[in-house]
Amino acid sequence: DVVMTQTPVSLPVSLGGQASISCRSSQSLVHSNGNTYLHWYLQKPGQSPQLLIYRVSNRFSGVPDRFSGSGSGTDFTLKISRVEPEDLGDYYCLQSTHFPFTFGSGTKLEIK
Amino acid sequence: QVQLKESGPGLVQPSQTLSLTCTVSGLSLTSNSVSWIRQPPGKGLEWMGVIWSNGGTDYNSAIKSRLSISRDTSKSQVFLKMNSLQTEDTAMYFCARIDGRYWGQGVMVTVSS
Repeated sequence: DVVMTQTPVSLPVSLGGQASISCRSSQSLVHSNGNTYLHWYLQKPGQSPQLLIYRVSNRFSGVPDRFSGSGSGTDFTLKISRVEPEDLGDYYCLQSTHFPFTFGSGTKLEIK
Repeated sequence: QVQLKESGPGLVQPSQTLSLTCTVSGLSLTSNSVSWIRQPPGKGLEWMGVIWSNGGTDYNSAIKSRLSISRDTSKSQVFLKMNSLQTEDTAMYFCARIDGRYWGQGVMVTVSS
């Protein structure tokens, strides 16, 4: 199985500040069709996960442009600029290139 | 409007079989694939398996021997069955469209005698 190593585990940030979360995979996430199936989710307390970024860098409908995704191969990053209170929660990366799909272990974004 | 809603028993005894239903509205199961994902209390997410729009299935190898996913397209329902439940199977169980754009609210399942 592909292991997704997500760091940091906890990320204290100041409101209005910037946050960066890393996700590294144990093997390349480039599919044989040329696409890279690496996605980012935010899970707010007591809620289901919500899609933020799909296929590395595409923002899902309604997601503010404060969120951006980048990376390639095995190394990916989610950046959040101008952090707002509504951004707080647990962030997960997910790879769906290889079976079984696997999630990162999560990053808790909290107020410093 | 797309909605997914999980339902099932909140409490299951150890060694018994878990049966959950995901009722879908606003999309057709013959053209959409649905995954099951679970989350133990205070822990991360685990992808369990998928039923594809053509009816085929793929499972997480770690639980494949215990897991079955099926569907009834006429009722817009997807089913999860997992046998030989243990306390470590206590979790919130979610269904979601395969692309992650739509999720159910989840159903909490506790395995306890």
